[in-house]
Amino acid sequence: AQKVTQAQTEISVVEKEDVTLDCVYETRDTTYYLFWYKQPPSGELVFLIRRNSFDEQNEISGRYSWNFQKSTSSFNFTITASQVVDSAVYFCALDGGTSYGKLTFGQGTILTVHP
Amino acid sequence: KAGVTQTPRYLIKTRGQQVTLSCSPISGHRSVSWYQQTPGQGLQFLFEYFSETQRNKGNFPGRFSGRQFSNSRSEMNVSTLELGDSALYLCASRSRDIYTGELFFGEGSRLTVL
Repeated sequence: AQKVTQAQTEISVVEKEDVTLDCVYETRDTTYYLFWYKQPPSGELVFLIRRNSFDEQNEISGRYSWNFQKSTSSFNFTITASQVVDSAVYFCALDGGTSYGKLTFGQGTILTVHP
Repeated sequence: KAGVTQTPRYLIKTRGQQVTLSCSPISGHRSVSWYQQTPGQGLQFLFEYFSETQRNKGNFPGRFSGRQFSNSRSEMNVSTLELGDSALYLCASRSRDIYTGELFFGEGSRLTVL
C-alpha cells in the first residue's frame, strides 16, 4: 500500500521568512512519481512539480525548491522569502507504477503567510 | 488553452436524491480522474477513465459511478445521497496514456447534502 505523510498540519510564518514543508512517502514500487500541488481558496489544485524516482536532483524554480532524498523517502518543499500570495494548502502526492491516474495524497499542510 | 472545466460549481441536494457532475478535460487529454475531498478524509481517488474505459477504481460504494464519452468528457453520478457525500469533487485530466504526466485539476464541484 502507498502512503504519504505530511506531518505539519499548519504552518504560520511572517512574510519574507523561508519555510519548508515536509513530505514522507511509502511505496513498494521501484518506479514512482512524486508531486506537489497548491490549493488556493478557489479549490483548484495547481500543479507545482513532478519528480520521478530515478531523478534525485534537487530542483529550484524561482522562490521554490524541492529536495528529494530516496534514502529517507522524503520529498520536501521549500519556499524562500515567502509572500502573502503563498498562503494556501499544499499537498504532496505519490503516483505508483501501475496506478492509472490514482494519486495518493498527503493530508495537506495549511500555510499562512502574514504580512 | 482552456483548463479543466467542471459543472456545476456548487449544488445542494437532499438525502436520497442523486446527482450528476460533469467534467470537460483539457483539449487533447484522454485520461480523466475523479477525486473526493472532505475535511476528514482528505483527497481520495474515485476512478479513472481512458478512452471510455474505467481503468482504475477507488474504494467507494457502488452508489458512485462514472462514465466517459467519446469526446473524453466525463460524468460522475452519486445515487441515494447521504450526508457524508458532502464534499468537493475534483476532476483531473492527463495528457498521456501512461502515468508519467501530471494531472491538471479543475476547480471542483462543491456538493452539499442536507
